[in-house]
Amino acid sequence: GEDVEQSLFLSVREGDSSVINCTYTDSSSTYLYWYKQEPGAGLQLLTYIFSNMDMKQDQRLTVLLNKKDKHLSLRIADTQTGDSAIYFCAESFSGGYNKLIFGAGTRLAVHP
Amino acid sequence: DAGVIQSPRHEVTEMGQEVTLRCKPISGHDYLFWYRQTMMRGLELLIYFNNNVPIDDSGMPEDRFSAKMPNASFSTLKIQPSEPRDSAVYFCASSLRNRGHESLVFGPGTRLTVL
Repeated sequence: GEDVEQSLFLSVREGDSSVINCTYTDSSSTYLYWYKQEPGAGLQLLTYIFSNMDMKQDQRLTVLLNKKDKHLSLRIADTQTGDSAIYFCAESFSGGYNKLIFGAGTRLAVHP
Repeated sequence: DAGVIQSPRHEVTEMGQEVTLRCKPISGHDYLFWYRQTMMRGLELLIYFNNNVPIDDSGMPEDRFSAKMPNASFSTLKIQPSEPRDSAVYFCASSLRNRGHESLVFGPGTRLTVL
């Protein structure tokens, strides 16, 4: 079945790198996504990766995809207090064009 | 564009009352989605529309929930009668078909509390 799993909480020191991990089940997913949710707000698309790629870098963000293990990670370099938020991994479900399956979200806390 | 607009932002009601949540998608977007977020179940897709037509409502929890999209700029999600377990944040989102998921934009959500 469809399932996306993430660890629920991550705490890092300001200036360190953060790595948020995600596993998914649908091997035919075309795209995998990372969304950010700040308190009291909706989800914002951070970045996405096409399933035929291994890595995508976008400024401080690096996405790594291991298709064999169905593992996706998001690395945030030089983490800042403004990065504190909930980060959601999502996969596009092959059964429907717009049916995104979200993980439960990882709450990132950045402390001085 | 002001983004996806949802109203009200907060709703507190008593069990058994009817609740109506409203959404105005981004102008020109042809897909509209309703999601529900809870601590226990995370983010769940309830229903989505394409060109105002419901495409997949398999996520709607039960008959107490209904959604309509009378035109391209307005959608409602209604719960009648409401129950305490319906308490959640309800998000509306819209996107444009030919730009794929990267065009998906979420509204700020409606926080519903059913007492």
